[in-house]
Amino acid sequence: GAGVSQSPRYKVAKRGQDVALRCDPISGHVSLFWYQQALGQGPEFLTYFQNEAQLDKSGLPSDRFFAERPEGSVSTLKIQRTQQEDSAVYLCASSSRPGHSGTNEKLFFGSGTQLSVL
Amino acid sequence: QQQVKQSPQSLIVQKGGISIINCAYENTAFDYFPWYQQFPGKGPALLIAIRPDVSEKKEGRFTISFNKSAKQFSLHIMDSQPGDSATYFCAAPPATDSWGKLQFGAGTQVVVTP
Repeated sequence: GAGVSQSPRYKVAKRGQDVALRCDPISGHVSLFWYQQALGQGPEFLTYFQNEAQLDKSGLPSDRFFAERPEGSVSTLKIQRTQQEDSAVYLCASSSRPGHSGTNEKLFFGSGTQLSVL
Repeated sequence: QQQVKQSPQSLIVQKGGISIINCAYENTAFDYFPWYQQFPGKGPALLIAIRPDVSEKKEGRFTISFNKSAKQFSLHIMDSQPGDSATYFCAAPPATDSWGKLQFGAGTQVVVTP
């Protein structure tokens, strides 16, 4: 597709359930980022992939959060045993350049998955 | 610890007016300052960005002003239009070698009235 695609668009989970959020980056983009955006706040970095390698996961809030990108394209963010504080919009972004390159590049964001934990 | 502080939280401006949003940062290692625009239900989109070696950058009706000594930068939206109604975020990466790991401000909701 022309842009970053995320699915599902909305997800409602009962507390304690596991959820999986999918991101389809722009074709050929080597860098993929996950961000979490709480209501009324700016996005917060979660994790970064360069191709299939997860090079930075310093923003993941707990070991209940897990991300993968096994073939260097589609990525999945998994949250185990969801809690109410996990309710947020999860944004995926991609870029054609490595995230640790010496130049600043443009991030292309998807529309996000809005997760509500009841 | 929020390293990019943005103000105001919201503002209302009449069509044709000027919208001004300010950001202050603490980390002197920041060397790239993008502004993102976000419409409801959409992801942020890069609007304009500046490096600290220049004091001002203009793209159409959008201008970034940068004050390195004060560690502040601002976004000016000239001749504001109803279509500019959105939330605006300033941001900065903690280091050049991690440009995608942006630290965002809390956002400013701009409403442009007809």
